Amino acid sequence: KAGVTQTPRYLIKTRGQQVTLSCSPISGHRSVSWYQQTPGQGLQFLFEYFSETQRNKGNFPGRFSGRQFSNSRSEMNVSTLELGDSALYLCASSLDVDTGELFFGEGSRLTVL
Amino acid sequence: GQNIDQPTEMTATEGAIVQINCTYQTSGFNGLFWYQQHAGEAPTFLSYNVLDGLEEKGRFSSFLSRSKGYSYLLLKELQMKDSASYLCAVRDRIQAGTALIFGKGTTLSVSS
Repeated sequence: KAGVTQTPRYLIKTRGQQVTLSCSPISGHRSVSWYQQTPGQGLQFLFEYFSETQRNKGNFPGRFSGRQFSNSRSEMNVSTLELGDSALYLCASSLDVDTGELFFGEGSRLTVL
Repeated sequence: GQNIDQPTEMTATEGAIVQINCTYQTSGFNGLFWYQQHAGEAPTFLSYNVLDGLEEKGRFSSFLSRSKGYSYLLLKELQMKDSASYLCAVRDRIQAGTALIFGKGTTLSVSS
């Protein structure tokens, strides 16, 4: 069974640009969560989607947004990029919400110059 | 709010036993997870505790005390491949649902 797939794996942007990251969850998983990982802050929760609805959102500015499609695939978008947005963005899927483990993708490493 | 504390770094030798502690404060505890993350790779699930006590899975065991807000991950018969970051995470209430809230991780270095 294929794991969580994230694209692109690496990308470089400049300040002020925007970026869209994609995540395909494990087949049959309906919940998708996004995390930002940096050396200083560790893994920080961005948001969670289930059945195309955002259920939860972490403490990030409105520049960070996302959506989920009917096939459970998810995208996240960061607008007006800042240097501090440089991070590894991890997507995780789970069968359902509020229970069970998360299965993580390899992540998308974003560098903002 | 939420707060999860674990040591930043630990070192051990092959064949030894190491215990990684995690303390937490949450608003609505709904389970504690341990993940392993090798450098440059995705976190992978190790264990899950929702009730007090010890869960054993091969060389790895995890303990939970909900009244103390405390957990530990025990790694036995350490191998070089166990060198990795170990992440403690608590499923906690966030707005309308829950989310996994992670500690900053403990980097374990195993030497021969």
